[in-house]
Amino acid sequence: GESVGLHLPTLSVQEGDNSIINCAYSNSASDYFIWYKQESGKGPQFIIDIRSNMDKRQGQRVTVLLNKTVKHLSLQIAATQPGDSAVYFCAENIAFSSGSARQLTFGSGTQLTVLP
Amino acid sequence: EAQVTQNPRYLITVTGKKLTVTCSQNMNHEYMSWYRQDPGLGLRQIYYSMNVEVTDKGDVPEGYKVSRKEKRNFPLILESPSPNQTSLYFCASSLLASGGTDTQYFGPGTRLTVL
Repeated sequence: GESVGLHLPTLSVQEGDNSIINCAYSNSASDYFIWYKQESGKGPQFIIDIRSNMDKRQGQRVTVLLNKTVKHLSLQIAATQPGDSAVYFCAENIAFSSGSARQLTFGSGTQLTVLP
Repeated sequence: EAQVTQNPRYLITVTGKKLTVTCSQNMNHEYMSWYRQDPGLGLRQIYYSMNVEVTDKGDVPEGYKVSRKEKRNFPLILESPSPNQTSLYFCASSLLASGGTDTQYFGPGTRLTVL
């Protein structure tokens, strides 16, 4: 079946270093991808999104890269801070059929820990 | 403040005792959805609604019901809860009815334990 997955369940980085969180997807019909951040005890929070007609999108300290050839998505966080410690989810968004609602399918998440 | 609210935040109940988890959004969003989150499985969609009186099944709808009588509210109903429904539940909403071209905003979560 279709799935969205993450390469590593945990990632530890030193404060100030850059973080890279990876995600693989299998549905070639997916055309919209989102990264969410979930802090302990809270709901997922939108970070950044990218559409399939783009390869790269930048936000504040975050960059998302999309490689459609290998169905791979990554989130890069520059100068990682303690407040970045959280679980990060990638999600793909596909339409069930033309004009219908779309489904958001989440990966299982990567726990990012920022070390002092 | 624009937000999605859920109640209760924590609930412990027993098998078979009907319960309702409420969800409300104040952003006039068309699309609302329920997810459950389990360790190692990420978030899985239970039900979604594109508009008032329009609901449809997600990936894991068995054992759940929903209703959308008003635009702002989307309650999740467990008619006869079972222990395998012990989970963390999230309600989400997004502006567009399709739920696909804009971001979804999530509530704070409801942790449900069924004994």
